[in-house]
Amino acid sequence: GENVEQHPSTLSVQEGDSAVIKCTYSDSASNYFPWYKQELGKGPQLIIDIRSNVGEKKDQRIAVTLNKTAKHFSLHITETQPEDSAVYFCARGSSASKIIFGSGTRLSIRP
Amino acid sequence: DSGVTQTPKHLITATGQRVTLRCSPRSGDLSVYWYQQSLDQGLQFLIHYYNGEERAKGNILERFSAQQFPDLHSELNLSSLELGDSALYFCASSALDRDSPLHFGNGTRLTVT
Repeated sequence: GENVEQHPSTLSVQEGDSAVIKCTYSDSASNYFPWYKQELGKGPQLIIDIRSNVGEKKDQRIAVTLNKTAKHFSLHITETQPEDSAVYFCARGSSASKIIFGSGTRLSIRP
Repeated sequence: DSGVTQTPKHLITATGQRVTLRCSPRSGDLSVYWYQQSLDQGLQFLIHYYNGEERAKGNILERFSAQQFPDLHSELNLSSLELGDSALYFCASSALDRDSPLHFGNGTRLTVT
């Protein structure tokens, strides 16, 4: 199908610990997998993206891994900080010129 | 600042009415996407335009329509409004017609009473 399944829907971690959010998809034609962060009252903002010719990509404390065979990709945030608290969305591109979003994960960082 | 401008920020209207939401894309971007976000929900894809042409449609209701003008700004028209249409409507722009980063505006919050 077209949907992207995202888990968990809520996640609470201790400041300094790591957070992992996972997404799965079924359209094998997808080649582009972005992640967005949405803070309260704002539009989503791209934080990292990965294309299907790459298995992993890292940007400071954020990393994304992609397993195209298994059709799943994950966001890893290390050394979490209070400002990481937000809603995170995975998404996938499609051959039909759509970008389909997961249902979101509300991440809370406990002090 | 994403460079994407959406107006108005807030809109309150009654059932049965019609409204128009406006989006100005980031300078140089040819693609405009529209998404609907209901309370505590994800981003539902509505429609995508590239350089004035419709590229893809999502689960957009027949009461909703959109267009992209020659200056690349876009409008989303919502008619015969129902209570369930109350939501945040986001516009996003992108440089290419597929598989490229989206830059979101801050949304229009529509309340139907």
